[in-house]
Amino acid sequence: DTVLTQSPALAVSPGERVTISCRASESVSTGMHWYQQKPGQQPKLLIYGASNLESGVPARFSGSGSGTDFTLTIDPVEADDTATYFCQQSWNDLTFGSGTKLEIK
Amino acid sequence: EVQLVESGGGLVQPGRSMKLSCAASGFTFNNYDMAWVCQAPKKGLEWVATISYDGSSTYYRDSVKGRFTISRDNAKSTLYLQMDSLRSEDTATYYCARHGPLTGSWYFDFWGPGTMVTVSS
Repeated sequence: DTVLTQSPALAVSPGERVTISCRASESVSTGMHWYQQKPGQQPKLLIYGASNLESGVPARFSGSGSGTDFTLTIDPVEADDTATYFCQQSWNDLTFGSGTKLEIK
Repeated sequence: EVQLVESGGGLVQPGRSMKLSCAASGFTFNNYDMAWVCQAPKKGLEWVATISYDGSSTYYRDSVKGRFTISRDNAKSTLYLQMDSLRSEDTATYYCARHGPLTGSWYFDFWGPGTMVTVSS
């Protein structure tokens, strides 16, 4: 299986720029997608195909990368962005990262 | 408004069976591939199974092959997951999820709120 590695947690202040990384154990081309999951809720799609913003998602969210290294950027961060962010690859079967918990100070 | 509502979860003994349902509304159900994704308590997400828009193709993660069966009834806009020979490690919240709109879109653009399955004696 393709393993996706994410840093476990980040803490930033409102108005700052935050980058959340996801590294794949092998190339996934641009088959990388990002989800936001708030406590007690289901995941919500933010970015698909590495850099495509899902309809209805604020333009503060963006994605980049290809191959093995990917980034989700939130700029500027708002208090409501407190959540866990998961990456998911679809190039080699289908696997998720373990999630990055984002705290807004 | 797109809605996916799961049902059928609960407490079940190891080795027994359980069937989950997901009622879909607000979109043309038979145009979309559908999936089940699970999340163990305080853990990450795991894809479980996918079924094509017309039910002709199914795909499973290795750990559930031969035990779980995904199916759909397009006339009722309902997705199912039959889970047999349940194990304690199957304990999780099970989400019904819609695949993206394009053929071969192996990501999920809409999720239901989930139903909890607890496998314990």
